[in-house]
Amino acid sequence: DAGVIQSPRHEVTEMGQEVTLRCKPISGHNSLFWYRQTMMRGLELLIYFNNNVPIDDSGMPEDRFSAKMPNASFSTLKIQPSEPRDSAVYFCASSRMAGGLSGANVLTFGAGSRLTVL
Amino acid sequence: QKEVEQNSGPLSVPEGAIASLNCTYSDRGSQSFFWYRQYSGKSPELIMFIYSNGDKEDGRFTAQLNKASQYVSLLIRDSQPSDSATYLCAVLQGAQKLVFGQGTRLTINP
Repeated sequence: DAGVIQSPRHEVTEMGQEVTLRCKPISGHNSLFWYRQTMMRGLELLIYFNNNVPIDDSGMPEDRFSAKMPNASFSTLKIQPSEPRDSAVYFCASSRMAGGLSGANVLTFGAGSRLTVL
Repeated sequence: QKEVEQNSGPLSVPEGAIASLNCTYSDRGSQSFFWYRQYSGKSPELIMFIYSNGDKEDGRFTAQLNKASQYVSLLIRDSQPSDSATYLCAVLQGAQKLVFGQGTRLTINP
């Protein structure tokens, strides 16, 4: 299993540019999560999907952020226009969706995309 | 009040000693709790999870949960330099929303 695959690993862009981050979840996982990590705020959940459907986007900072999951093996997180305060490491994670008290909600994280907005 | 609180550290422990990491949470209805380890520049990786009051052991790691006190801890026995990392406590809110603490940076000194 290749794990959760994210691209690009590093992105440096200028303020105002569009940024698109990509994620391929683990095959068979039907839940996908986008997190953002900064020194100040730690690891924050932005949005998550179940079976390609967005379930909770309350963590998306503002309208400049959007996320899509067109199929079970691909998701994007887009920032348009980007701002310096968006600089962070963006992690994608996937899991098998399960209810109840179980470890099935264990998230497996990708390697992350480090975004720097100048 | 933050949803999940951890002492940011750094916590320094001599090699071979027990490292104790603590976490408190605000949502009394939370049922599942996770400990992740994150090496510098890497992604978080699961150490263990717990959802019943008491202790759960896995090798050198023991997770402890006290729901009445809204307190979760992680003990690392026989600490090794390779255990030096940031340890993230996470609490499951609702069915799938995993909320993380800021993490505790642990350093094991040889």
